[in-house]
Amino acid sequence: QSALTQPASVSGSPGQSITISCTGTSSDIGGYNFVSWYQQHPDKAPKLLIYDVSNRPSGVSNRFSGSKSGNTASLTISGLQTEDEADYFCASYTISNTHVVFGGGTKLTVL
Amino acid sequence: EVQLVESGGGLIQPGGSLRLSCVVSGFTVSSKSMTWVRQAPGKGFEWVAIIYSVGSTYHADSVEGRFTISRDISKNTLYLQMNSLRVGDTARYYCARPLSDDFSRASFDIWGQGTMVTVSS
Repeated sequence: QSALTQPASVSGSPGQSITISCTGTSSDIGGYNFVSWYQQHPDKAPKLLIYDVSNRPSGVSNRFSGSKSGNTASLTISGLQTEDEADYFCASYTISNTHVVFGGGTKLTVL
Repeated sequence: EVQLVESGGGLIQPGGSLRLSCVVSGFTVSSKSMTWVRQAPGKGFEWVAIIYSVGSTYHADSVEGRFTISRDISKNTLYLQMNSLRVGDTARYYCARPLSDDFSRASFDIWGQGTMVTVSS
């Protein structure tokens, strides 16, 4: 069982928006503004989409946005495209000695 | 181009040893902190170890005393020496570069594709 909780799957149609949640505790998400999100296509390296809750690295589409409320962080993908079909996972700084905890991942299907 | 390429995984019996390598391109391995992260089949990621740019190392409790992270500057390569392997160590192992050198942000801007380690008799 992962430290952060994500839905196993979400789906949407091209052009729609979807939101993936990532729930933790006050020891990680709720206590720090260090949440990151990653996209991973099958057999590919994970790609950083969002860091520090809502910041996008250069080159990442502005269709990807992040936010946080309390112990839950969210990734929103707007204007869904077929190439967005992938696994998405979150990560957060944690006060524990592991420094970082991860979500179990969410499979996005673009119908 | 900034790139990380892992190798060294495979099938190993419990109690055995393996050394994973991560060849770094596009930057000097000693100029940045580097980590190993693993993902067991069907499970989430787990941070394994970090070597800071200054050379100090830190390992997760689950691998402390069995795994050792290191780097070879002349080969621009990161390593993970894994000893006394257990069935529970079965996972895909990724090298990843932290976004901030002190790892305070707990995020990673560059990942490799990973190498699979299967511990089974």
